[in-house]
Amino acid sequence: ELKVEQNPLFLSMQEGKNYTIYCNYSTTSDRLYWYRQDPGKSLESLFVLLSNGAVKQEGRLMASLDTKARLSTLHITAAVHDLSATYFCAARGGGSNYKLTFGKGTLLTVNP
Amino acid sequence: DGGITQSPKYLFRKEGQNVTLSCEQNLNHDAMYWYRQDPGQGLRLIYYSQIVNDFQKGDIAEGYSVSREKKESFPLTVTSAQKNPTAFYLCASSQTGDGYTFGSGTRLTVV
Repeated sequence: ELKVEQNPLFLSMQEGKNYTIYCNYSTTSDRLYWYRQDPGKSLESLFVLLSNGAVKQEGRLMASLDTKARLSTLHITAAVHDLSATYFCAARGGGSNYKLTFGKGTLLTVNP
Repeated sequence: DGGITQSPKYLFRKEGQNVTLSCEQNLNHDAMYWYRQDPGQGLRLIYYSQIVNDFQKGDIAEGYSVSREKKESFPLTVTSAQKNPTAFYLCASSQTGDGYTFGSGTRLTVV
């Protein structure tokens, strides 16, 4: 059974600082997703990582995937207040059912 | 524009009552999913369907039922057997799992 563990669950940062959110998954997964959720809203897709060593960047966010370690990271560079949100990683199990298993999410608060 | 429409946005349920949440997509996606979100729990899979007239239980199916009579529609019924239904419900769809589109959600509250 695929399990996804995120840490930290809560992250309070100062503007301008860097930090990393970690996402570990327990069994083979062929895709790793990162989403952003604002309070009371739906999920916004950030990144899809398909293969070992994949790295994707968008603005101040960069995601990477190490399939051998079953680890994905979301790195935040020079945080700004607008990045405050909850971030989820989700792993897609192998096979044909395309189910996504989510981590519990990281609530990020960026303080001035 | 293509997308997923969930309705209603807010729903109130009395004790012992069944309620149905609507999910409609015009993306021509084969697969549809229902997730439940509780604070601090992430999203948990309730049911999913990969093809019309077929669906499978997810991790927390007890107290819920679904149907998939049309490709575009995947309604979720929260039955009276679900003892703690207050949560945020999200519907999603995908085509062969390449990417997932999420609806805007329904917040269900027991009164």
